[in-house]
Amino acid sequence: EPEVTQTPSHQVTQMGQEVILRCVPISNHLYFYWYRQILGQKVEFLVSFYNNEISEKSEIFDDQFSVERPDGSNFTLKIRSTKLEDSAMYFCATEAGQANTEAFFGQGTRLTVV
Amino acid sequence: AQKVTQAQTEISVVEKEDVTLDCVYETRDTTYYLFWYKQPPSGELVFLIRRNSFDEQNEISGRYSWNFQKSTSSFNFTITASQVVDSAVYFCAPRSRDDKIIFGKGTRLHILP
Repeated sequence: EPEVTQTPSHQVTQMGQEVILRCVPISNHLYFYWYRQILGQKVEFLVSFYNNEISEKSEIFDDQFSVERPDGSNFTLKIRSTKLEDSAMYFCATEAGQANTEAFFGQGTRLTVV
Repeated sequence: AQKVTQAQTEISVVEKEDVTLDCVYETRDTTYYLFWYKQPPSGELVFLIRRNSFDEQNEISGRYSWNFQKSTSSFNFTITASQVVDSAVYFCAPRSRDDKIIFGKGTRLHILP
């Protein structure tokens, strides 16, 4: 069964450092998303990406965040200067593009900012 | 504006009991889609079921069943004969047409042996 793969599974970084979270989507999927879940809280939408550009972003997704799909396969989330409050589980999700189909989520990357 | 409410924060039941998880989705859209995801202790998000707003037929799949009532905006999910492995956080996750999936706050389900 095809799956969304995220790397790394866990990253620890010092405050102020840049991190890049990577996602390999399911091959025929066209829509990509990043979500975030602070420990014990709900899953929050960050950004959606289609046709090599951002479709929508939440208020959480400020200037320190960026996304790209540089090589047509990996979908990345970059956090330029991490803050303590960026510590969370980050989920990548991809879907074929029809509203009535489910999004497939990766296993998540746990980011810990110290 | 859209709003998804999972009023049950935490539920505990004894193994083999049936349990129903509640979800209310308020939207002005007439076409929308409803999903349930499970998040076990390992942390991943696992898709469980999908429903369209224009189909109110209730369905059963194995130990899972769901009851969708458009008039009350409720999309409830039932696990029959619960098992310890069902212990997880369950998220109701609706989306309106051409929009992203949004998540409720989740219901933490404890199945006690």
